Amino acid sequence: NAGVTQTPKFQVLKTGQSMTLQCAQDMNHEYMSWYRQDPGMGLRLIHYSVGAGITDQGEVPNGYNVSRSTTEDFPLRLLSAAPSQTSVYFCASRLGSQRTEAFFGQGTRLTVV
Amino acid sequence: QKEVEQDPGPLSVPEGAIVSLNCTYSNSAFQYFMWYRQYSRKGPELLMYTYSSGNKEDGRFTAQVDKSSKYISLFIRDSQPSDSATYLCAMSGDNYGQNFVFGPGTRLSVLP
Repeated sequence: NAGVTQTPKFQVLKTGQSMTLQCAQDMNHEYMSWYRQDPGMGLRLIHYSVGAGITDQGEVPNGYNVSRSTTEDFPLRLLSAAPSQTSVYFCASRLGSQRTEAFFGQGTRLTVV
Repeated sequence: QKEVEQDPGPLSVPEGAIVSLNCTYSNSAFQYFMWYRQYSRKGPELLMYTYSSGNKEDGRFTAQVDKSSKYISLFIRDSQPSDSATYLCAMSGDNYGQNFVFGPGTRLSVLP
């Protein structure tokens, strides 16, 4: 059972480039989310989805797009990368109920130069 | 004021010490309280989970929730070098699919 898989693990982008961070889970979880983690800031929610076809914005959505065409996949798109988007990105999934554990991927370390 | 505040650390203790990690929060609607452990360059993993007020024990770990003070704690007894990690508190309200709010994390080092 793979859990939550993120690709790539590392990425360097030039300012203005676009890219997609991939996230897949094989646990049939309804709820998926993307966080960014910066020193001293903790995990900040970018976008989330409570099921296929349903997405919503989190705390820091600007500069990012998401879609949820299947239960398994929840890609995060950076539209025009900026140095302020240099961060570690985590994808997480869980069943919708609050009484369940959130499983995290291993993270993508993104540097924008 | 941030919704969830956490002692920033870093915290260094000798092996065998009792460690106390704490978070305060402002939203009285929070009902679910969690502690995640994150090793360097890894994703967070759930360590402890409690609902509403009270204590929960799991081996060397004890989680306490005091909703009247909006204060939660994680105690680690007989700390080990393998406990060296960043500890994140997280909490949520009661609505289905509601987002978790995370504290900034406390970095703990247990020295052999």
